[in-house]
Amino acid sequence: GAVVSQHPSWVICKSGTSVKIECRSLDFQATTMFWYRQFPKQSLMLMATSNEGSKATYEQGVEKDKFLINHASLTLSTLTVTSAHPEDSSFYICSARDLSGGGDTQYFGPGTRLTVL
Amino acid sequence: AQSVTQPDIHITVSEGASLELRCNYSYGATPYLFWYVQSPGQGLQLLLKYFSGDTLVQGIKGFEAEFKRSQSSFNLRKPSVHWSDAAEYFCAVVPIYNQGGKLIFGQGTELSVKP
Repeated sequence: GAVVSQHPSWVICKSGTSVKIECRSLDFQATTMFWYRQFPKQSLMLMATSNEGSKATYEQGVEKDKFLINHASLTLSTLTVTSAHPEDSSFYICSARDLSGGGDTQYFGPGTRLTVL
Repeated sequence: AQSVTQPDIHITVSEGASLELRCNYSYGATPYLFWYVQSPGQGLQLLLKYFSGDTLVQGIKGFEAEFKRSQSSFNLRKPSVHWSDAAEYFCAVVPIYNQGGKLIFGQGTELSVKP
């Protein structure tokens, strides 16, 4: 299957600082990537859809000014958590949409564990 | 309401026993169907997918799933479970009309394997 990487895999930061998470599709091009948040023992919650060359689309209730998304190339999307607070601590997962071969499949990164002190 | 349902929150099976994880969806037209597995602290790995054609789909790690239109189901099976299969399993769909490709997830089923 296709490979998606995420960096960093974990990060600890102080309250009020900003953190950037990178999501890369390594062996295919992805015009669309997705960002999810996952709380312990729960399913994934979609935060936003990242489209290459255009503005991200945010789900209801997600603060676009806090979670900045940039999709500058067909293989890279970034999520920046601005002015992070302890309630932003969570597991963030990205996925990349693969439309090759007539399919429509999302491949997921390994996730980033964010802890805000 | 349109949704994906995994009726079993937690299942425990003995190593070597067979496994079936249930998934039902409620959409008018058959959506694209997926099963993903997540180990603790990890991302999701695609096990298998169904778009059309043969209703019995083979996946990785010895898993298979059967699409049954009449039951709106896409149950995941494995004939003999290994201890390494212990993980969280998610059924997910992409509705056909959803051009944006958003995945709709079930609640997940946690699988424990007894030695």
